[in-house]
Amino acid sequence: GQNIDQPTEMTATEGAIVQINCTYQTSGFNGLFWYQQHAGEAPTFLSYNVLDGLEEKGRFSSFLSRSKGYSYLLLKELQMKDSASYLCAVREGRGSTLGRLYFGRGTQLTVWP
Amino acid sequence: DAGITQSPRYKITETGRQVTLMCHQTWSHSYMFWYRQDLGHGLRLIYYSAAADITDKGEVPDGYVVSRSKTENFPLTLESATRSQTSVYFCASSPRQGADEQYFGPGTRLTVT
Repeated sequence: GQNIDQPTEMTATEGAIVQINCTYQTSGFNGLFWYQQHAGEAPTFLSYNVLDGLEEKGRFSSFLSRSKGYSYLLLKELQMKDSASYLCAVREGRGSTLGRLYFGRGTQLTVWP
Repeated sequence: DAGITQSPRYKITETGRQVTLMCHQTWSHSYMFWYRQDLGHGLRLIYYSAAADITDKGEVPDGYVVSRSKTENFPLTLESATRSQTSVYFCASSPRQGADEQYFGPGTRLTVT
């Protein structure tokens, strides 16, 4: 099993920077994903980390520390359209179970003007 | 149009009825997944499939049946619907194991009365 923890809610203002943390406990870590989900819509892929360090993709960056079981998603230059739920997902397993994702409950981010 | 589709998008059924949710993808992805999303639980894996005729259980498979006779289709059947199966169901696909993200369908909102 696994235990994925992320804050339930966060708020920030337009133009600001926000960091969404995710901690996890897993017996067979094999990658961490971040997804964005707008209300009433499907999740969409944001980032993937499997090695320690920072992955940057435009206004979004994701960091991973495997030894600490910790990741964060950094959103810069916030825009109103960034208001959404951000899902941390850990891939665990080997062989036939490789590819299965376990999701956290999501962090609802509200961006104010 | 190419992509991953689900039908129906909304369904109301009665307790004890059999219900089948359809998922179709046009990418010829090998892997397909069924998740349910409930408040307080996040996304939970029900079943997944690595290829046609290969399926495996996820976290919450009880009460559900899947089949995959063709690569592009992955129907989910609730054999005898219960109120606890009221949820939003997402189908997803990915081309292979490894770093590949999962692409999610638009979801089916199922209500069991």
